[in-house]
Amino acid sequence: DAGITQSPRHKVTETGTPVTLRCHQTENHRYMYWYRQDPGHGLRLIHYSYGVKDTDKGEVSDGYSVSRSKTEDFLLTLESATSSQTSVYFCAISGGRGVIDSYNEQFFGPGTRLTVL
Amino acid sequence: QQQVKQSPQSLIVQKGGISIINCAYENTAFDYFPWYQQFPGKGPALLIAIRPDVSEKKEGRFTISFNKSAKQFSLHIMDSQPGDSATYFCAARRTEKLVFGKGTKLTVNP
Repeated sequence: DAGITQSPRHKVTETGTPVTLRCHQTENHRYMYWYRQDPGHGLRLIHYSYGVKDTDKGEVSDGYSVSRSKTEDFLLTLESATSSQTSVYFCAISGGRGVIDSYNEQFFGPGTRLTVL
Repeated sequence: QQQVKQSPQSLIVQKGGISIINCAYENTAFDYFPWYQQFPGKGPALLIAIRPDVSEKKEGRFTISFNKSAKQFSLHIMDSQPGDSATYFCAARRTEKLVFGKGTKLTVNP
């Protein structure tokens, strides 16, 4: 794995509780992303960050917020978890766009399996 | 709106056979087309990628064919092996964001 860790790796919580997932990178990459993966839907972008304190919404951002106070950390928060947010969450990092293809690659973390009861 | 359509959803091939997965897109602003491989319990990993100014790219047993006019691209896995059994995702990039297909679960029987 390209220096990306996610915590926790597994979490079970109850509807209505707040949940925060953490992504930590040691690659000093500029871009960080949060995706959710659900059967039949592939990977869908929730939010992404293009720098410290710079974030933007993705395709499925409702019910989620993010923060990035340091280059290495990107937090995903579910303010009030719902059963529809039961999913596997992946963090990814990227150097951005470049002539060399490896610079464009998004590297994925190992994922967090979240269950909302 | 599904911006990248991937087919088939699942694919079963015999060892030594050719696996072919297809993707189609609509947005001509996409400028980079990667394929990711994902094993159960793991995060996706880049397998191979192509830019739209190239019609084919080969890396070992894996080849991307790209048809810009048809807005289609495909992954060919030659001499498929049981170790290739995984889920494969095509993707397309616009600015710094990737849009993924829904995935193809490949099973290679021994």
